[in-house]
Amino acid sequence: GESVGLHLPTLSVQEGDNSIINCAYSNSASDYFIWYKQESGKGPQFIIDIRSNMDKRQGQRVTVLLNKTVKHLSLQIAATQPGDSAVYFCAENPMDSSYKLIFGSGTRLLVRP
Amino acid sequence: DTAVSQTPKYLVTQMGNDKSIKCEQNLGHDTMYWYKQDSKKFLKIMFSYNNKELIINETVPNRFSPKSPDKAHLNLHINSLELGDSAVYFCASSQGYEVNTEAFFGQGTRLTVV
Repeated sequence: GESVGLHLPTLSVQEGDNSIINCAYSNSASDYFIWYKQESGKGPQFIIDIRSNMDKRQGQRVTVLLNKTVKHLSLQIAATQPGDSAVYFCAENPMDSSYKLIFGSGTRLLVRP
Repeated sequence: DTAVSQTPKYLVTQMGNDKSIKCEQNLGHDTMYWYKQDSKKFLKIMFSYNNKELIINETVPNRFSPKSPDKAHLNLHINSLELGDSAVYFCASSQGYEVNTEAFFGQGTRLTVV
């Protein structure tokens, strides 16, 4: 089994509660941000994105908030479900000539039944 | 249908060996990537190809050589494998290499060097 999860910050929430996962990004010039969800044994899966000209964006049960002043990004999950249990990564795209995503360190979300 | 597929899913090999990981995408994307995820779950880009041309090489050792026979495939060949190469390697693709496009990831290849 994996032991890598022991190194990750972990958020434990009760099923049905709202979850808030936070991320501090590094580059003030980054202009595009993505939240990814990674379930055990799978690749990262796109959840929601936001551009730097926005402060908030909503999807189905998820909301991303961007605070450029303090370089902070958050992902809010409403009515958290067991299927939301995963590792969540924020990723930033620096505004330079090459496309690449710089990933944050990840947060493990555990949903208690 | 699997959008980004990698083979093999698991790879266990001895130090010093040479191995390859294959990746194919059926999304019609122009850009493909290799990412490495270490034991702490940290994801870092290794390479990026756009229409078979290398765009990004993030100071990866020369032992790692990506090859893109066409824009739907990006394979990763690793020579003289070392213990520190043990990680999960993810292939990804996106539409174009311009900013502001999401990347679609494969399921990963867990490489264990013993």
